[in-house]
Amino acid sequence: EDQVTQSPEALRLQEGESSSLNCSYTVSGLRGLFWYRQDPGKGPEFLFTLYSAGEEKEKERLKATLTKKESFLHITAPKPEDSATYLCAVSSGGSYIPTFGRGTSLIVHP
Amino acid sequence: DAGITQSPRYKITETGRQVTLMCHQTWSHSYMFWYRQDLGHGLRLIYYSAAADITDKGEVPDGYVVSRSKTENFPLTLESATRSQTSVYFCASSESDSRTDTQYFGPGTRLTVL
Repeated sequence: EDQVTQSPEALRLQEGESSSLNCSYTVSGLRGLFWYRQDPGKGPEFLFTLYSAGEEKEKERLKATLTKKESFLHITAPKPEDSATYLCAVSSGGSYIPTFGRGTSLIVHP
Repeated sequence: DAGITQSPRYKITETGRQVTLMCHQTWSHSYMFWYRQDLGHGLRLIYYSAAADITDKGEVPDGYVVSRSKTENFPLTLESATRSQTSVYFCASSESDSRTDTQYFGPGTRLTVL
Protein backbone atom coordinates (compact mmCIF):
# COMPACT_ATOMS: atom_id res chain seq x y z
CA GLU A 1 0.00 0.00 0.00
CA ASP A 2 1.33 3.41 -1.00
CA GLN A 3 2.01 5.84 1.84
CA VAL A 4 2.65 9.58 1.77
CA THR A 5 3.73 11.64 4.78
CA GLN A 6 4.09 15.39 4.61
CA SER A 7 5.99 17.51 7.09
CA PRO A 8 5.68 19.83 8.79
CA GLU A 9 1.89 19.95 9.20
CA ALA A 10 2.06 23.72 9.48
CA LEU A 11 4.75 26.26 8.73
CA ARG A 12 4.89 29.97 9.44
CA LEU A 13 7.44 32.09 7.61
CA GLN A 14 8.29 35.74 7.38
CA GLU A 15 8.19 37.25 3.92
CA GLY A 16 11.52 36.53 2.24
CA GLU A 17 12.41 33.64 4.58
CA SER A 18 13.14 30.65 2.34
CA SER A 19 12.24 27.13 3.48
CA SER A 20 11.33 23.64 2.29
CA LEU A 21 8.33 21.34 2.63
CA ASN A 22 8.91 17.60 2.77
CA CYS A 23 6.97 14.73 1.22
CA SER A 24 8.17 11.24 2.16
CA TYR A 25 6.69 8.34 0.27
CA THR A 26 6.64 4.55 0.15
CA VAL A 27 5.50 3.01 -3.12
CA SER A 28 6.01 -0.07 -5.21
CA GLY A 29 7.25 1.38 -8.49
CA LEU A 30 6.75 5.14 -8.68
CA ARG A 31 4.75 6.38 -11.65
CA GLY A 32 4.62 10.00 -10.63
CA LEU A 33 4.81 12.39 -7.67
CA PHE A 34 2.49 15.37 -7.74
CA TRP A 35 2.45 18.70 -5.93
CA TYR A 36 -0.70 20.76 -5.58
CA ARG A 37 -1.53 24.09 -4.00
CA GLN A 38 -4.91 24.54 -2.30
CA ASP A 39 -6.29 27.90 -1.26
CA PRO A 40 -9.10 28.08 1.33
CA GLY A 41 -12.46 27.30 -0.23
CA LYS A 42 -10.97 26.15 -3.53
CA GLY A 43 -9.99 22.93 -5.20
CA PRO A 44 -6.36 21.77 -5.37
CA GLU A 45 -4.42 23.47 -8.15
CA PHE A 46 -1.82 21.42 -9.99
CA LEU A 47 1.79 22.62 -9.64
CA PHE A 48 4.24 19.89 -10.69
CA THR A 49 4.61 16.26 -11.68
CA LEU A 50 7.97 14.53 -11.10
CA TYR A 51 8.67 11.10 -12.56
CA SER A 52 12.17 9.99 -11.61
CA ALA A 53 14.80 10.55 -8.95
CA GLY A 54 16.97 13.56 -9.68
CA GLU A 55 14.24 15.40 -11.56
CA GLU A 56 13.61 19.04 -10.67
CA LYS A 57 10.92 21.50 -11.77
CA GLU A 58 10.53 25.21 -11.08
CA LYS A 59 7.72 27.71 -11.19
CA GLU A 60 8.27 31.24 -9.98
CA ARG A 61 9.44 30.95 -6.33
CA LEU A 62 8.76 27.21 -6.13
CA LYS A 63 11.15 24.39 -6.94
CA ALA A 64 10.27 20.72 -6.57
CA THR A 65 12.90 18.01 -6.31
CA LEU A 66 12.66 14.23 -6.14
CA THR A 67 14.75 11.42 -4.63
CA LYS A 68 13.91 7.73 -4.33
CA LYS A 69 12.29 8.28 -0.93
CA GLU A 70 11.15 11.87 -0.75
CA SER A 71 10.36 15.10 -2.50
CA PHE A 72 11.00 18.63 -1.39
CA LEU A 73 9.12 21.76 -2.33
CA HIS A 74 11.55 24.62 -1.90
CA ILE A 75 10.09 28.09 -1.51
CA THR A 76 12.54 30.90 -2.19
CA ALA A 77 11.87 34.36 -0.78
CA PRO A 78 8.18 33.64 -0.19
CA LYS A 79 5.50 36.30 -0.36
CA PRO A 80 2.19 36.44 1.56
CA GLU A 81 0.37 35.28 -1.59
CA ASP A 82 2.25 31.97 -1.33
CA SER A 83 0.19 31.20 1.79
CA ALA A 84 -1.82 28.04 1.09
CA THR A 85 -1.94 24.34 1.84
CA TYR A 86 0.47 22.32 -0.27
CA LEU A 87 -0.51 18.73 -1.06
CA CYS A 88 1.72 15.92 -2.24
CA ALA A 89 0.48 12.76 -3.95
CA VAL A 90 2.03 9.67 -5.56
CA SER A 91 0.84 7.11 -8.06
CA SER A 92 2.51 3.75 -8.51
CA GLY A 93 2.63 0.61 -10.58
CA GLY A 94 -0.29 0.22 -12.93
CA SER A 95 -2.64 2.35 -10.82
CA TYR A 96 -3.99 5.69 -11.94
CA ILE A 97 -5.27 6.34 -8.44
CA PRO A 98 -2.92 8.65 -6.55
CA THR A 99 -2.43 8.54 -2.80
CA PHE A 100 -2.49 11.95 -1.13
CA GLY A 101 -0.69 13.23 1.93
CA ARG A 102 -2.48 15.34 4.54
CA GLY A 103 -0.77 18.52 3.36
CA THR A 104 1.37 21.31 4.81
CA SER A 105 -0.35 24.56 5.72
CA LEU A 106 1.96 27.46 4.89
CA ILE A 107 1.44 30.98 6.21
CA VAL A 108 3.76 33.76 5.07
CA HIS A 109 3.63 36.89 7.17
CA PRO A 110 4.38 40.28 5.61
CA ASP B 1 -15.71 27.32 -20.35
CA ALA B 2 -12.99 24.73 -20.62
CA GLY B 3 -12.05 22.74 -17.57
CA ILE B 4 -13.88 20.97 -14.80
CA THR B 5 -16.97 22.38 -13.13
CA GLN B 6 -19.09 21.30 -10.18
CA SER B 7 -22.63 22.19 -9.20
CA PRO B 8 -24.03 23.27 -6.93
CA ARG B 9 -21.18 25.04 -5.14
CA TYR B 10 -23.09 25.05 -1.86
CA LYS B 11 -25.92 22.80 -0.70
CA ILE B 12 -27.84 22.47 2.54
CA THR B 13 -30.10 19.47 2.94
CA GLU B 14 -31.77 17.44 5.63
CA THR B 15 -31.04 13.97 6.92
CA GLY B 16 -32.67 11.30 4.78
CA ARG B 17 -32.97 13.35 1.61
CA GLN B 18 -31.42 12.35 -1.69
CA VAL B 19 -28.80 14.73 -3.04
CA THR B 20 -26.95 14.70 -6.35
CA LEU B 21 -23.70 16.55 -6.93
CA MET B 22 -22.78 17.22 -10.53
CA CYS B 23 -19.38 17.18 -12.19
CA HIS B 24 -18.61 18.10 -15.80
CA GLN B 25 -15.30 18.20 -17.65
CA THR B 26 -14.54 19.48 -21.13
CA TRP B 27 -11.18 17.80 -21.72
CA SER B 28 -12.50 14.33 -22.62
CA HIS B 29 -10.33 12.87 -19.89
CA SER B 30 -10.91 9.16 -19.47
CA TYR B 31 -10.61 9.05 -15.66
CA MET B 32 -12.85 10.90 -13.24
CA PHE B 33 -12.83 10.86 -9.44
CA TRP B 34 -14.88 11.95 -6.45
CA TYR B 35 -13.18 12.91 -3.19
CA ARG B 36 -14.38 14.25 0.11
CA GLN B 37 -12.17 16.49 2.22
CA ASP B 38 -12.57 16.76 5.97
CA LEU B 39 -10.37 18.27 8.65
CA GLY B 40 -8.04 15.64 10.04
CA HIS B 41 -8.56 13.24 7.11
CA GLY B 42 -7.32 15.04 4.06
CA LEU B 43 -8.65 13.95 0.67
CA ARG B 44 -10.42 10.60 0.67
CA LEU B 45 -11.46 8.84 -2.54
CA ILE B 46 -15.15 7.93 -2.74
CA TYR B 47 -15.51 6.52 -6.26
CA TYR B 48 -13.69 6.71 -9.54
CA SER B 49 -14.39 5.91 -13.17
CA ALA B 50 -11.95 4.75 -15.83
CA ALA B 51 -14.34 5.40 -18.73
CA ALA B 52 -18.02 5.75 -19.50
CA ASP B 53 -20.00 2.94 -17.86
CA ILE B 54 -16.98 1.80 -15.80
CA THR B 55 -16.94 2.77 -12.13
CA ASP B 56 -15.23 1.43 -9.02
CA LYS B 57 -15.19 2.02 -5.29
CA GLY B 58 -12.59 4.05 -3.50
CA GLU B 59 -11.72 4.28 0.18
CA VAL B 60 -15.10 5.53 1.51
CA PRO B 61 -17.94 4.49 -0.87
CA ASP B 62 -20.68 3.64 1.63
CA GLY B 63 -23.79 5.79 1.26
CA TYR B 64 -22.82 7.06 -2.20
CA VAL B 65 -23.78 6.05 -5.72
CA VAL B 66 -22.19 7.13 -9.01
CA SER B 67 -22.93 6.74 -12.68
CA ARG B 68 -21.13 7.70 -15.86
CA SER B 69 -23.23 7.42 -18.99
CA LYS B 70 -21.18 10.10 -20.80
CA THR B 71 -17.43 10.68 -20.69
CA GLU B 72 -17.81 14.30 -19.61
CA ASN B 73 -20.22 13.83 -16.70
CA PHE B 74 -19.78 12.03 -13.39
CA PRO B 75 -22.62 12.69 -10.92
CA LEU B 76 -22.39 11.64 -7.27
CA THR B 77 -25.61 10.78 -5.44
CA LEU B 78 -26.16 10.54 -1.72
CA GLU B 79 -29.20 8.26 -1.60
CA SER B 80 -30.19 9.11 1.99
CA ALA B 81 -28.01 11.87 3.38
CA THR B 82 -26.57 11.59 6.88
CA ARG B 83 -24.89 14.22 9.06
CA SER B 84 -21.58 12.38 8.69
CA GLN B 85 -21.71 13.20 4.97
CA THR B 86 -21.35 16.91 5.71
CA SER B 87 -18.12 17.70 3.90
CA VAL B 88 -16.50 19.42 0.95
CA TYR B 89 -16.68 17.28 -2.18
CA PHE B 90 -14.18 17.56 -5.02
CA CYS B 91 -14.41 16.10 -8.47
CA ALA B 92 -11.23 15.51 -10.47
CA SER B 93 -10.27 14.17 -13.88
CA SER B 94 -7.08 12.91 -15.48
CA GLU B 95 -5.85 11.82 -18.89
CA SER B 96 -4.23 8.69 -17.50
CA ASP B 97 -2.19 7.74 -20.54
CA SER B 98 1.06 5.86 -20.21
CA ARG B 99 3.00 8.96 -19.17
CA THR B 100 0.65 11.44 -17.62
CA ASP B 101 -1.89 10.81 -14.90
CA THR B 102 -1.98 14.22 -13.31
CA GLN B 103 -5.35 14.98 -11.76
CA TYR B 104 -7.14 18.29 -12.26
CA PHE B 105 -9.69 19.31 -9.66
CA GLY B 106 -12.98 21.18 -9.74
CA PRO B 107 -13.82 24.04 -7.36
CA GLY B 108 -15.68 21.84 -4.89
CA THR B 109 -19.18 21.55 -3.44
CA ARG B 110 -19.70 22.35 0.22
CA LEU B 111 -22.49 20.10 1.49
CA THR B 112 -24.17 20.53 4.86
CA VAL B 113 -26.58 17.86 6.11
CA LEU B 114 -28.80 19.06 8.95
